Amino acid sequence: DAGVIQSPRHEVTEMGQEVTLRCKPISGHDYLFWYRQTMMRGLELLIYFNNNVPIDDSGMPEDRFSAKMPNASFSTLKIQPSEPRDSAVYFCASSEDSYTEAFFGQGTRLTVV
Amino acid sequence: KQEVTQIPAALSVPEGENLVLNCSFTDSAIYNLQWFRQDPGKGLTSLLLIQSSQREQTSGRLNASLDKSSGRSTLYIAASQPGDSATYLCAVRQSGSARQLTFGSGTQLTVLP
Repeated sequence: DAGVIQSPRHEVTEMGQEVTLRCKPISGHDYLFWYRQTMMRGLELLIYFNNNVPIDDSGMPEDRFSAKMPNASFSTLKIQPSEPRDSAVYFCASSEDSYTEAFFGQGTRLTVV
Repeated sequence: KQEVTQIPAALSVPEGENLVLNCSFTDSAIYNLQWFRQDPGKGLTSLLLIQSSQREQTSGRLNASLDKSSGRSTLYIAASQPGDSATYLCAVRQSGSARQLTFGSGTQLTVLP
């Protein structure tokens, strides 16, 4: 398996634009996590899914953020409208179940100017 | 709410030294604990996973221990090398209905040649 795949790797956008980040988890993994990493706050859990169902989205900072998982092999994190304070590295991770390792993608570095 | 703390925040050692990184967590209701390595500008690489029923796990020069009742884990690195320089993060997997992965803020390790 190629691991967790995220796209794009880098995104630069203007304030107010819509941004969509994409993630393909490892095949057969039932859990999918979205994290945001900044120097100030470290790694923050935004939302996680189990079997494509959102379980906990309490980490989503505002209504501007939304996430979907339409099927077991694809998830999106959307920010609309984007703001400069959304600039961070966004990671997607997946695990087979609660007992096994979580594997991370390479991240998407988002810069909002 | 689970809180994960890593001490020290940064550590600098000469090559060849054995060293210990510490991780503590406030809620012992966990499935497992995972140690990760993150190189600058890169994603997270899984190093070791310890299940809640285990006391330790070893991989090469790395040894991780877990004392669930006291909420502590240590990562022991033997005979450190400059290539070990990175940020080391620990994360705990909650048990119960909320099964998210909660991270510490990491220890930035520099091994001097």
